[in-house]
Amino acid sequence: NAGVMQNPRHLVRRRGQEARLRCSPMKGHSHVYWYRQLPEEGLKFMVYLQKENIIDESGMPKERFSAEFPKEGPSILRIQQVVRGDSAAYFCASSGGRDEKLFFGSGTQLSVL
Amino acid sequence: RKEVEQDPGPFNVPEGATVAFNCTYSNSASQSFFWYRQDCRKEPKLLMSVYSSGNEDGRFTAQLNRASQYISLLIRDSKLSDSATYLCVVNSRDDKIIFGKGTRLHILP
Repeated sequence: NAGVMQNPRHLVRRRGQEARLRCSPMKGHSHVYWYRQLPEEGLKFMVYLQKENIIDESGMPKERFSAEFPKEGPSILRIQQVVRGDSAAYFCASSGGRDEKLFFGSGTQLSVL
Repeated sequence: RKEVEQDPGPFNVPEGATVAFNCTYSNSASQSFFWYRQDCRKEPKLLMSVYSSGNEDGRFTAQLNRASQYISLLIRDSKLSDSATYLCVVNSRDDKIIFGKGTRLHILP
């Protein structure tokens, strides 16, 4: 009965490095969502994926950010050449389908030095 | 008008009191509605779904008003452990799941 698993819990990067955040959805779920949350701010939608497909990436910055959800393995949110403004909590959520409730992972706290 | 709008609060409420807050949404085609709670630095957790006929789960009651495009959450006999941020979530027909910024609730002893 493992829930949504995210790792790492905390990630520290220097400016210009790459950050890779991983998310394994709940068993049986094929829909994955990524959200970003700044301190004292709400959750901001980034991207919605199903297996091997990006369904909606309207919340993703045009540059440096990419996401994938391969046939096998976890979903990956990749941030290239990180800047201080990328520091935030990144939450992944999964669901079993449309109109279904989301279950969240514990998040990855990214700190860019 | 923002897609999902909530009063950020904070609502400071004495223990045992009843508190209610609303959330408005802009997309009339929205299909599914939920309330989540988020504790400081933790992930959001599902509190309850919101159904057209209204629904209750213990001390919590959720209602949907499609005509006015808002949902509400009522908490009766509030406990200290109810202190959290409450997030309104709306799922529209185009699969977009939008979170409100949340309403902060502080229950005072």
